[in-house]
Amino acid sequence: GENVEQHPSTLSVQEGDSAVIKCTYSDSASNYFPWYKQELGKRPQLIIDIRSNVGEKKDQRIAVTLNKTAKHFSLHITETQPEDSAVYFCAAVGRGDDKIIFGKGTRLHILP
Amino acid sequence: DAGVTQSPTHLIKTRGQHVTLRCSPISGHKSVSWYQQVLGQGPQFIFQYYEKEERGRGNFPDRFSARQFPNYSSELNVNALLLGDSALYLCASSFTEPQYFGPGTRLLVL
Repeated sequence: GENVEQHPSTLSVQEGDSAVIKCTYSDSASNYFPWYKQELGKRPQLIIDIRSNVGEKKDQRIAVTLNKTAKHFSLHITETQPEDSAVYFCAAVGRGDDKIIFGKGTRLHILP
Repeated sequence: DAGVTQSPTHLIKTRGQHVTLRCSPISGHKSVSWYQQVLGQGPQFIFQYYEKEERGRGNFPDRFSARQFPNYSSELNVNALLLGDSALYLCASSFTEPQYFGPGTRLLVL
């Protein structure tokens, strides 16, 4: 079945710097890649998503890139702020299949 | 505009007991999915229902079952609870993509 690997498991960056989280997926039929942010004790919240027919998508300080050939995708957060501190999950969804396969998460710490 | 709601918020059970968790999707969403999130891990897919039919099932034992009602709300049932069933159970609803998550039910099995 589909497997999603996520790195790093923990990431600390200075406020104002950029953060990058990388993921790989195993099923070449996957065609939708959402990213969720989960704060402590709260629900996962969708922050950005990308479909397999697009290589890059940007929303203000957040961008996602997708390399279908290599089967990897990345989340980029620029000008990080304290409120960016949370656990971030990458995920993949197969074609014709709505179940989300999540990575294990990256705990992002924004240092003052 | 109400989001996905789940009840109860917290639950404590003992081994061998049965539990029922409930989920109400966003208005207009016909698909409901259930996920189990163990502390420190990503959510794991359990079930998906669409128009009251099961569309997908994850790698969970038969002790786990679910159903969807005509109003698109859903129940997740877990029988013969084990200590390892302690987790946050998340419900997500969607019209197509993406899926939007509820606040979850935190289940503790003693």
